[in-house]
Amino acid sequence: QVQLQESGPGLVKPSQTLSLTCTVSGGSVSSRSYYWSWIRQHPGRGLEWIGYIYYSGSTYYNPSLKSRVMISLDTSKNQFSLNLSSVTAADTAVYYCARDAQAAAGIEYWGQGTLVTVSA
Amino acid sequence: SYVLTQPPSVSVAPGETAMITCGGNNIGSKIVHWYQQKPGQAPVQVIHYDTVRPSGIPERFSGSNSGNTATLSISRVEAGDEADYYCQVWDSSGDLYVVFGGGTKVTVL
Repeated sequence: QVQLQESGPGLVKPSQTLSLTCTVSGGSVSSRSYYWSWIRQHPGRGLEWIGYIYYSGSTYYNPSLKSRVMISLDTSKNQFSLNLSSVTAADTAVYYCARDAQAAAGIEYWGQGTLVTVSA
Repeated sequence: SYVLTQPPSVSVAPGETAMITCGGNNIGSKIVHWYQQKPGQAPVQVIHYDTVRPSGIPERFSGSNSGNTATLSISRVEAGDEADYYCQVWDSSGDLYVVFGGGTKVTVL
């Protein structure tokens, strides 16, 4: 059974960088079949795709966040990470990591989500 | 970028059928996935590849996709089906690869 677990600070100051890590168990981030995704949900709002990374290291980002986002892969630890720079209160959200099989099967597995609050 | 439109809310009596639509330009040419999200929980996939139920999802959940509308149907609705539902497509033609609908709140009366 694949499991994903987000970790990182729950509170980030404005203008700083939000950094989260997703640890994957029961599957490998080196698999060619999946994209490893970050998705967020503002309080009381819908789902917003942030971006994903492929086993090769290729990344794809939401154009609205592209200038501030970086997703990276650590195959030795079976983890992938999200960095979101220059955060504001508008970045306060629940952040989910997920495994995306794209057209074949969509997003089959999600982490439990972690709330990140941006506040001084 | 590609846009998916869902009704904000749908209300249904227990035992009846809920139908949640997801509109998009020629969405029938794309593959649609559906997710259920209950308060305080991560989303759970209930349909993938338009019509396929993942393991563990009741047969009461079904999907269809044609023309400009994809539909998630929940038959014999139960109180436990009350949740937000999101449609999603993968769009390689634009620069927003993963597109979600705005979500539909299903209320069981």
